[in-house]
Amino acid sequence: DAGVIQSPRHEVTEMGQEVTLRCKPISGHNSLFWYRQTMMRGLELLIYFNNNVPIDDSGMPEDRFSAKMPNASFSTLKIQPSEPRDSAVYFCASSQPRAKNIQYFGAGTRLSVL
Amino acid sequence: AQSVTQLGSHVSVSEGALVLLRCNYSSSVPPYLFWYVQYPNQGLQLLLKYTSAATLVKGINGFEAEFKKSETSFHLTKPSAHMSDAAEYFCAVSLYSSASKIIFGSGTRLSIRP
Repeated sequence: DAGVIQSPRHEVTEMGQEVTLRCKPISGHNSLFWYRQTMMRGLELLIYFNNNVPIDDSGMPEDRFSAKMPNASFSTLKIQPSEPRDSAVYFCASSQPRAKNIQYFGAGTRLSVL
Repeated sequence: AQSVTQLGSHVSVSEGALVLLRCNYSSSVPPYLFWYVQYPNQGLQLLLKYTSAATLVKGINGFEAEFKKSETSFHLTKPSAHMSDAAEYFCAVSLYSSASKIIFGSGTRLSIRP
């Protein structure tokens, strides 16, 4: 399997622009997680989905952030409008039904908001 | 609520020396415990997991961890460090009842001196 695939790997944008991060989970996995990693705050869970349904979005910073999972093989994390403090590495992870707490991570998207 | 505390944000050892990365957990019920490793510019990958089957857990790359309930600890060790072990290591915890969500520690960066 190709693993969890994230795109783009790097994104540089200007403050106020919309940013969309994409994730393709491992086939057969039914849980999907979005994390943000920064030096100051470490690894934070933003939101996770089970069977395409958002279960816990308590980690989403504010209304500027939104996430969708229209089908089992695709998810997006959108930031609109973006701000410099959103600069971070964003990870997507997925897990399978029989081992939900073993997560497989993508390589991440490094976002820089100027 | 469950949590993990990693003692020491940065650990440096000589090549061939013992590696010891410390993790203490807090949980109201017997937890699942994990160690993940993150190499530069990559996502996290599972190193090993504790699921109550055995207190001494062996993982990949020669690492192992011992669950000590009396000390609420799950320290990670490796008898002989290799240059390729240089990475960031995360301890994590989840509960049986909400196994989808994992709480990660703040991470320990391991450096290996030649």
